[in-house]
Amino acid sequence: GAVVSQHPSRVICKSGTSVKIECRSLDFQATTMFWYRQFPKKSLMLMATSNEGSKATYEQGVEKDKFLINHASLTLSTLTVTSAHPEDSSFYICSARIRGYSLREQYFGPGTRLTVT
Amino acid sequence: ILNVEQSPQSLHVQEGDSTNFTCSFPSSNFYALHWYRWETAKSPEALFVMTLNGDEKKKGRISATLNTKEGYSYLYIKGSQPEDSATYLCASEGQDAGNMLTFGGGTRLMVKP
Repeated sequence: GAVVSQHPSRVICKSGTSVKIECRSLDFQATTMFWYRQFPKKSLMLMATSNEGSKATYEQGVEKDKFLINHASLTLSTLTVTSAHPEDSSFYICSARIRGYSLREQYFGPGTRLTVT
Repeated sequence: ILNVEQSPQSLHVQEGDSTNFTCSFPSSNFYALHWYRWETAKSPEALFVMTLNGDEKKKGRISATLNTKEGYSYLYIKGSQPEDSATYLCASEGQDAGNMLTFGGGTRLMVKP
């Protein structure tokens, strides 16, 4: 149980285009979903927290107009990288908490490798 | 300690060896410490969540301890197997942090057959 999928797993796009990444909880409803970014040889860095039906909360230094997050349902959150540039190339990974559970584990997707050329 | 730090960054052991690594975290405003195991091309897998000082948790050959007063946690693997090869991440969760996790850089474990 508690499986989170992410799509696509890899994407290559041209500079200036937008890319959408989907994060789905497959067998549970998620109270909250989180988006992280990982630079090479660095830790996972939280970008934003999203709750279903409300605006995402972005961490300091993360441009909300650049990284659009939509959390339309209890099982789906999307991250859109708008007008992507080579510096946006990175590994993006989402996680989710199970709705109604007191356990504090976050369940992660497998991540998306974005390359902007 | 302001950040979450893990050591060593990487570790090579022989099959059958027991090993351990360290996670250091800010002891002030602490709520919980999470351990994850992350195999290449897979999702990070939750191993443990610990909240109480002196807590010790075990899952098969893997166990973890927690010292909240001094801000460290140890992860132990007894009799390492090649399938234990992965990156082990720890993350600290603070009080009133909305379940926000601050991750360490991970310890990459490679177990040679």
